[in-house]
Amino acid sequence: TQLLEQSPQFLSIQEGENLTVYCNSSSVFSSLQWYRQEPGEGPVLLVTVVTGGEVKKLKRLTFQFGDARKDSSLHITAAQPGDTGLYLCAGGKDGANNLFFGTGTRLTVIP
Amino acid sequence: DAGVIQSPRHEVTEMGQEVTLRCKPISGHNSLFWYRQTMMRGLELLIYFNNNVPIDDSGMPEDRFSAKMPNASFSTLKIQPSEPRDSAVYFCASRTGLNTEAFFGQGTRLTVV
Repeated sequence: TQLLEQSPQFLSIQEGENLTVYCNSSSVFSSLQWYRQEPGEGPVLLVTVVTGGEVKKLKRLTFQFGDARKDSSLHITAAQPGDTGLYLCAGGKDGANNLFFGTGTRLTVIP
Repeated sequence: DAGVIQSPRHEVTEMGQEVTLRCKPISGHNSLFWYRQTMMRGLELLIYFNNNVPIDDSGMPEDRFSAKMPNASFSTLKIQPSEPRDSAVYFCASRTGLNTEAFFGQGTRLTVV
């Protein structure tokens, strides 16, 4: 059973389009992280959000943590081919130092 | 620091053999995680350690899997006996504490034939 469900599972878009990826759970998380993974490598952290309702921006990427700290979204504006990769949300359950990953969204940006 | 170091990068073994995967976390990181990644099941948390002590091994699939962390700079994940369904990429990650960045190794691609 996955604690964190992501949608969509796969996304293929044209360069320049906008997109949103969702990460949902029935559990409350003390924090939510987003990672990106490229083929043959481990995931790399993009951002950490810790406060309900928090919004963080990283260039063309906007991350939001839900008010109830059960969900999060990642919005990419004007996607570029370099954004291609597997996007993973991750959180620790019950305030413990565990780190569970979501089901993942595989994004392909076509030039 | 060279980052999290895993070995071997690739391992091909026959069913029934013992497999040992190794991980060296980043110096000063007191939390270490072992994950398994497959297309079907995604990135699954197998076990994690805090200060070399196993905290939660509920993700370890069966008794065939075991993990140890004898000191702060070394951990192993052992599968005995291995089965074809164990084929996956196994990742080790470390971090300094709650809500901090987890740094991943490059993974070990295990193939059991």
